[in-house]
Amino acid sequence: SQQGEEDPQALSIQEGENATMNCSYKTSINNLQWYRQNSGRGLVHLILIRSNEREKHSGRLRVTLDTSKKSSSLLITASRAADTASYFCATDVWRGSTLGRLYFGRGTQLTVWP
Amino acid sequence: DAGVTQSPTHLIKTRGQQVTLRCSPKSGHDTVSWYQQALGQGPQFIFQYYEEEERQRGNFPDRFSGHQFPNYSSELNVNALLLGDSALYLCASSIWGDRNYGYTFGSGTRLTVV
Repeated sequence: SQQGEEDPQALSIQEGENATMNCSYKTSINNLQWYRQNSGRGLVHLILIRSNEREKHSGRLRVTLDTSKKSSSLLITASRAADTASYFCATDVWRGSTLGRLYFGRGTQLTVWP
Repeated sequence: DAGVTQSPTHLIKTRGQQVTLRCSPKSGHDTVSWYQQALGQGPQFIFQYYEEEERQRGNFPDRFSGHQFPNYSSELNVNALLLGDSALYLCASSIWGDRNYGYTFGSGTRLTVV
């Protein structure tokens, strides 16, 4: 399987704390993306990191990518109750120059308590 | 600028019936991919359409078929519904061949097969 696998499966923290989620994958990727999903609804794209990048920031989000270890991490700083959601990493794998598709893991359920 | 629109939001069907789900991509996007997300799982790739042709397909039976129209909108058809087809069906739009752009997902259609 080329799926990304998130760790931990569930994470429970207090508001203001940082949340770290990890993702491992198995094959070469074009990029890796993180998505958020609230209560089984649509996926919201959070951040994309290309295979030649090592770290990327967006607001309170920090993503790292280690292609040698085939792993990535998502850090959410100063978490808020509104950050409560499921977080998925997705590897964007391409065949040739045009055929790209996403492979998802099972996600990390983050709960942030007020 | 409208994002990805999916209809209907919810659907209840009986085993053996057929269902059609619809998706309108984000403005400027020409490629539509469909994903199935079972409860507690990550999304699984069904297939991808570009220029009204199926370009790649995941590990789904022929009961799952699709169509893309000249205006880039797409339909997902599932025949002979099984209880196991109950899931959230997500549509994602993108730009064909663009390796460095994230996918935009719709809010999904929740299909329940009884």
